[in-house]
Amino acid sequence: QKEVEQDPGPLSVPEGAIVSLNCTYSNSAFQYFMWYRQYSRKGPELLMYTYSSGNKEDGRFTAQVDKSSKYISLFIRDSQPSDSATYLCAMRGFQKLVFGTGTRLLVSP
Amino acid sequence: GAVVSQHPSWVICKSGTSVKIECRSLDFQATTMFWYRQFPKQSLMLMATSNEGSKATYEQGVEKDKFLINHASLTLSTLTVTSAHPEDSSFYICSARDRVGTEIQVQYFGPGTRLTVT
Repeated sequence: QKEVEQDPGPLSVPEGAIVSLNCTYSNSAFQYFMWYRQYSRKGPELLMYTYSSGNKEDGRFTAQVDKSSKYISLFIRDSQPSDSATYLCAMRGFQKLVFGTGTRLLVSP
Repeated sequence: GAVVSQHPSWVICKSGTSVKIECRSLDFQATTMFWYRQFPKQSLMLMATSNEGSKATYEQGVEKDKFLINHASLTLSTLTVTSAHPEDSSFYICSARDRVGTEIQVQYFGPGTRLTVT
């Protein structure tokens, strides 16, 4: 079993839709949770960063962490074609950052 | 803030030659830098972790004599692919962790370097 599981997609939605991206994990030592966005042939760009459980909102993006269920989510409101990219969840405890495989999101106009 | 740059963004070299990739943290000091490799449609694979002024720690299966890492200052790390072969062709991405501040656990990534070995 992988430490971090993420559906690779692709996830196709129409413009304006609410997008939900999710990851599950097995290591209870993970405390820091991040979401990165990666466009094709580019490096990952940090979107959201949360520590422990709870919600965090930044503009159209909301990150949720449920440590009891070992489940994290990223919600994108009013999705735009420019949001089309691969979204990587990442997390760590005291060791190295562990990534999900990434979910490819396609937002059609 | 928190910008990481890489140079070059792409490079083509002949088999048997060496290639150096530079990674710089532009607006923060990075005690720790990381080097990743990414194959098409796959996630990032950590190659090594480097701390300023000390030897890099390589992940299992990564040849330290082939992938030389130097972290000479708090803002610069270099990866040298020695005696490159076509199988070394890949997308190499560096990452840096801020030395101070409340978000010291966050890693920021460079734009990546695409290496093609012919």
